[in-house]
Amino acid sequence: GAGVSQSPSNKVTEKGKDVELRCDPISGHTALYWYRQSLGQGLEFLIYFQGNSAPDKSGLPSDRFSAERTGGSVSTLTIQRTQQEDSAVYLCASSSPRASGGRGETQYFGPGTRLLVL
Amino acid sequence: AQSVAQPEDQVNVAEGNPLTVKCTYSVSGNPYLFWYVQYPNRGLQFLLKYITGDNLVKGSYGFEAEFNKSQTSFHLKKPSALVSDSALYFCAVRDVSWGKLQFGAGTQVVVTP
Repeated sequence: GAGVSQSPSNKVTEKGKDVELRCDPISGHTALYWYRQSLGQGLEFLIYFQGNSAPDKSGLPSDRFSAERTGGSVSTLTIQRTQQEDSAVYLCASSSPRASGGRGETQYFGPGTRLLVL
Repeated sequence: AQSVAQPEDQVNVAEGNPLTVKCTYSVSGNPYLFWYVQYPNRGLQFLLKYITGDNLVKGSYGFEAEFNKSQTSFHLKKPSALVSDSALYFCAVRDVSWGKLQFGAGTQVVVTP
């Protein structure tokens, strides 16, 4: 079946430009996560959406980062005024808490978007 | 606060030999523990998880992991490594009250023929 998809797979931008990264979760998954993978920081949590609840934004590194999830499905991560330190691989994951009674459900990851800020 | 430690940056093993990748964790309450593998230029692939029950968990591709509560460890093992097992392995922990995963720094596994 279809897994988590992300687009674009690669993005090169200039410092100061805005970028939008897209994530299509597995159909029926109500939980969606964004993580960032960089050489210096490893894998970092950014933001978490669960159904209609307010998102957990505790991992967003600055107010230049924002994300939304429309209709409980597709999510867009937006980075405004990009900086060179934003260069990283941005990973999206989804899960179905209902499948495990909300306990320890597996997060399935997309292939990531590799962002390079020049 | 929850945390995960993978003490080895790299593990080298000859093909056919046993492979162990170490992971220790710290979390308040009962942990949910996960192992993921990442091949070059790919996303993370789920290998196995411990939620509750039997301390020995079996997963994909012949991997298994043993949950040890007293040592707060969740080491990944494979009895006989393959060259194709060469990849980056991540241990992760999730607290029962949080959705996010906290990842270790990752361990690069190199299996030589």
